[in-house]
Amino acid sequence: GQQVMQIPQYQHVQEGEDFTTYCNSSTTLSNIQWYKQRPGGHPVFLIQLVKSGEVKKQKRLTFQFGEAKKNSSLHITATQTTDVGTYFCAGHSGYSTLTFGKGTMLLVSP
Amino acid sequence: GAGVSQSPRYKVAKRGQDVALRCDPISGHVSLFWYQQALGQGPEFLTYFQNEAQLDKSGLPSDRFFAERPEGSVSTLKIQRTQQEDSAVYLCASTYYSGTAHSSYNSPLHFGNGTRLTVT
Repeated sequence: GQQVMQIPQYQHVQEGEDFTTYCNSSTTLSNIQWYKQRPGGHPVFLIQLVKSGEVKKQKRLTFQFGEAKKNSSLHITATQTTDVGTYFCAGHSGYSTLTFGKGTMLLVSP
Repeated sequence: GAGVSQSPRYKVAKRGQDVALRCDPISGHVSLFWYQQALGQGPEFLTYFQNEAQLDKSGLPSDRFFAERPEGSVSTLKIQRTQQEDSAVYLCASTYYSGTAHSSYNSPLHFGNGTRLTVT
């Protein structure tokens, strides 16, 4: 079945440093979604990418979808303590269900 | 309220007991999903409803798991004869996009706060 892998599993940065998490799928995706889950909270939708090579920005967050639609990345510029949480990518291909990666947990020290 | 509501927030069950978890989706959302999230893992799909029809239950781990949505709004996930491996957070999500199951899978999910089930 479809597998979605994320790296790193965990990252601890100092406030102001950049952060990137990578997502790779075993199959070509029709779209990819990114979610953020705060400690003790539930996943909250951030963005969806659909087109090959697509790049979208939300303030300090930059999302990319690979040309082959099998990988994606989320980059945060100048992290803040409010960025703390686990970031999940979730991919959908064909008529399969939305498959989530295991997430990257981000810790930010002030 | 405006969000997806789940109850109870926490549930402790003794091994072998039956439990029922409730989800009240956002009003007007025809698509409803149940996910299971183990500690340190991503959400794993359990089942999907479009209105009252259960269109996909391929993720239910065993026949001890049963879900229903009889009137197309509130949904209940029931777990019979709970086992320790059932301990997890059970997340419900809804989305406004009806269309086909394929298009629902493409739509952003609105998650509830989840029910944390602990089986002792």
